[in-house]
Amino acid sequence: QVQLQQWGAGLLRPSETLSLTCAVYGGPFTGYHWSWIRQPPGKGLEWIGDISHTGNTYYSPSLKSRVAISLVTSQNQFSLKLTSITAADTAVYYCARGRKDCSSGCLAFDSWGQGTLVTVSS
Amino acid sequence: DIQMTQSPSSLSASVGDRVTITCRASQSIRTYVNWYQQKLGKAPKLLISLASTLQSGVPSRFTGSGSGTDFTLTISSLQPEDFATYYCQQSYTTSWTFGQGTKVEIK
Repeated sequence: QVQLQQWGAGLLRPSETLSLTCAVYGGPFTGYHWSWIRQPPGKGLEWIGDISHTGNTYYSPSLKSRVAISLVTSQNQFSLKLTSITAADTAVYYCARGRKDCSSGCLAFDSWGQGTLVTVSS
Repeated sequence: DIQMTQSPSSLSASVGDRVTITCRASQSIRTYVNWYQQKLGKAPKLLISLASTLQSGVPSRFTGSGSGTDFTLTISSLQPEDFATYYCQQSYTTSWTFGQGTKVEIK
């Protein structure tokens, strides 16, 4: 059964760059989208972006200017970078596997990492 | 972006109750809705995809229905382990969006 394990710095200062990595174990890397989703404390889920196994990226319009998602296919890993962070970026960040249930769109997040709490504070 | 609006935001129910959560999309999304369960401090878990397809290992007391703009998640007989927050998610277009969540609490 596929497992996602994520890591990265948990305490950052305003204006710094958030950097997280997610490793995929026990399942194929190809054929899926690899996604980042965040959840501010006590709030709902917000999709950040995803990357296909071929390297095509898709980003939330509200974060697009600050986000980059990349693959390290040889290591079955993918990464998130979010620049110029502020307190509003404080959240639990999840990596997730996006499964395409149809030929166009239909992405379902069927496996998730354990989450990383990232706190932005001066 | 397509907006997803869930109701209610929270509900109190007893073990054995039938519970229904609704999700409304801001435009037609055919049957492209997924449902997730999130327990406190844990990652969400995919329950249902494409409005009504139950995921492997998910109990049959969970059912999903709907198409177009209106969708429902029903728990036929609430069990102690079902107390959690539930989210819908549209999978119609990139810039995937979630509902704000429905918290199911013990009465």
